[in-house]
Amino acid sequence: GQQLNQSPQSMFIQEGEDVSMNCTSSSIFNTWLWYKQDPGEGPVLLIALYKAGELTSNGRLTAQFGITRKDSFLNISASIPSDVGIYFCAAKTGANSKLTFGKGITLSVRP
Amino acid sequence: GAVVSQHPSRVICKSGTSVKIECRSLDFQATTMFWYRQFPKKSLMLMATSNEGSKATYEQGVEKDKFLINHASLTLSTLTVTSAHPEDSSFYICSAGSTGLPYEQYFGPGTRLTVT
Repeated sequence: GQQLNQSPQSMFIQEGEDVSMNCTSSSIFNTWLWYKQDPGEGPVLLIALYKAGELTSNGRLTAQFGITRKDSFLNISASIPSDVGIYFCAAKTGANSKLTFGKGITLSVRP
Repeated sequence: GAVVSQHPSRVICKSGTSVKIECRSLDFQATTMFWYRQFPKKSLMLMATSNEGSKATYEQGVEKDKFLINHASLTLSTLTVTSAHPEDSSFYICSAGSTGLPYEQYFGPGTRLTVT
């Protein structure tokens, strides 16, 4: 089935560093979402983007909805140990339509 | 953000028995709820879309008679795994879509099912 492209599968950074994650698609979507999942938990919504070109921040997190509506990126600045987890991008076409997910990126932060 | 709960968080059952998992939206109404299955180190796999008051829409390859979904109210959807087998062991996660803006999907904490 259709899926968003997220790579690499894993990222390793030093505490305090910034990290950027990208998510791309061959199809156009109208909403882009970024979720973080901790082991044994459900995904938690970090940022939601609704308009092409939109740039939204949530604390140390910043995400952008690509102008072509086929991509999005998430930046985490000044990483801390609790940023460890799996980051999924997701996108949808309509208000209550199903989400299409990326495979996720596992982020490790070295103290 | 909106709160979605799942119950139970963990369940162990014997092969051949049925297990019911509840998904509740606690502080908002959800006309649509989604059920996912997640294997270790994998992304979420959508099983079905549950609409309040109507039959669920199942994804290709998901047996509707095995995974029974009921969305009886705007705050509750249930997934029943019937005649469970060890290969049904997995992490099951629901999400709920709000009826009003911003129409986001909020996920429950998941249910770990182990079939022995």
